[in-house]
Amino acid sequence: DQQVKQNSPSLSVQEGRISILNCDYTNSMFDYFLWYKKYPAEGPTFLISISSIKDKNEDGRFTVFLNKSAKHLSLHIVPSQPGDSAVYFCAASYHMLTFGGGTRLMVKP
Amino acid sequence: DVKVTQSSRYLVKRTGEKVFLECVQDMDHENMFWYRQDPGLGLRLIYFSYDVKMKEKGDIPEGYSVSREKKERFSLILESASTNQTSMYLCASSSRDGSTNEKLFFGSGTQLSVL
Repeated sequence: DQQVKQNSPSLSVQEGRISILNCDYTNSMFDYFLWYKKYPAEGPTFLISISSIKDKNEDGRFTVFLNKSAKHLSLHIVPSQPGDSAVYFCAASYHMLTFGGGTRLMVKP
Repeated sequence: DVKVTQSSRYLVKRTGEKVFLECVQDMDHENMFWYRQDPGLGLRLIYFSYDVKMKEKGDIPEGYSVSREKKERFSLILESASTNQTSMYLCASSSRDGSTNEKLFFGSGTQLSVL
């Protein structure tokens, strides 16, 4: 059973608007959460992370929100740009990383 | 700039062949990992290693083995390739430093097709 789930396999957003990518997890022992971004023909690259003691972390256009009571994580990209088009993986850590299935984001010009 | 290099970008093998996937990192990282990526399933951990000659099973080790003879090199071995091992294989490394322990650096991947 998947402990980390991304229920939306794809998301399409207009350039300049907000992109919201969601992630749910089941294991309450996870203490660190990360988002990775993957372009075709490249390996995933680290994007942003958040510790379980926080509920928000911001880095430029990217903000990650953590709702521990709901076991829910989200990534907000504002404003979205065509170069953000990629597959986004959320990951949760308790000694080891567990990845979600990924969400393909398409930002239309 | 940090680098994880996987020896092949694309590989086509036949059922029953022994397959070697090689990975080299130049960051002097202690930890190295092998994942496979399949649509809808995300990245699943096959094997990992925290030190030379050390290996641990991940979530899906069946049909695979690994070798880590040197710190910078981590090899994934498919003893007898099967069609259900057709996948994108990703190697990653990370430092044992606690602040970056979970931050993985990935190679570009090897797309393996088993016919």
